[in-house]
Amino acid sequence: AQTVTQSQPEMSVQEAETVTLSCTYDTSESDYYLFWYKQPPSRQMILVIRQEAYKQQNATENRFSVNFQKAAKSFSLKISDSQLGDAAMYFCAYYSISNFGNEKLTFGTGTRLTIIP
Amino acid sequence: GAGVSQSPSNKVTEKGKDVELRCDPISGHTALYWYRQSLGQGLEFLIYFQGNSAPDKSGLPSDRFSAERTGGSVSTLTIQRTQQEDSAVYLCASSSPSLAGDDTQYFGPGTRLTVL
Repeated sequence: AQTVTQSQPEMSVQEAETVTLSCTYDTSESDYYLFWYKQPPSRQMILVIRQEAYKQQNATENRFSVNFQKAAKSFSLKISDSQLGDAAMYFCAYYSISNFGNEKLTFGTGTRLTIIP
Repeated sequence: GAGVSQSPSNKVTEKGKDVELRCDPISGHTALYWYRQSLGQGLEFLIYFQGNSAPDKSGLPSDRFSAERTGGSVSTLTIQRTQQEDSAVYLCASSSPSLAGDDTQYFGPGTRLTVL
């Protein structure tokens, strides 16, 4: 079974600075997707960014980018120019696409990000 | 278009009562998922529906939990004889998987269930 580990329960960053959230995962599969979701106090899970394992290029979405290291099974999220609205719980998630019948997301335990004005 | 919607937003019930939670997926999405988010267990998969296939119920914690999906759209999660440990946020997600499509799961706002 796949596991996802987020070793930073809490992080804080000054507004306008850059912060990196860590995620590692364990899998024997070669084909999968990785996601970062954001959950603000409203509890709505919002997709931040997605990475296909077969792509070597790191995904980017505006101020959000990932550092995907497939061999190391590492998938960190970098938030540049942090804004107050980025404050939330961030979850890393793994999705298997090579194990038909097991199409569920496996989540890490989350990192609570605080933005300091 | 409209996102995933869930109702009720909050539900308070007494131990031993039955509850029904509803999920309306994004129109056209064939896959629907239920997850549970609790303090002690984090985010857990409960059940997965894909089209007309038999659902994957492997995450349901006990036989008090059941779910159905009518007409390939709306889903209802039912918890019978609720217990205090059932208190959690229940999240629904939908996606439109295909061989070369977007498997991204889009979530609803969740239902917070409190069992007294």
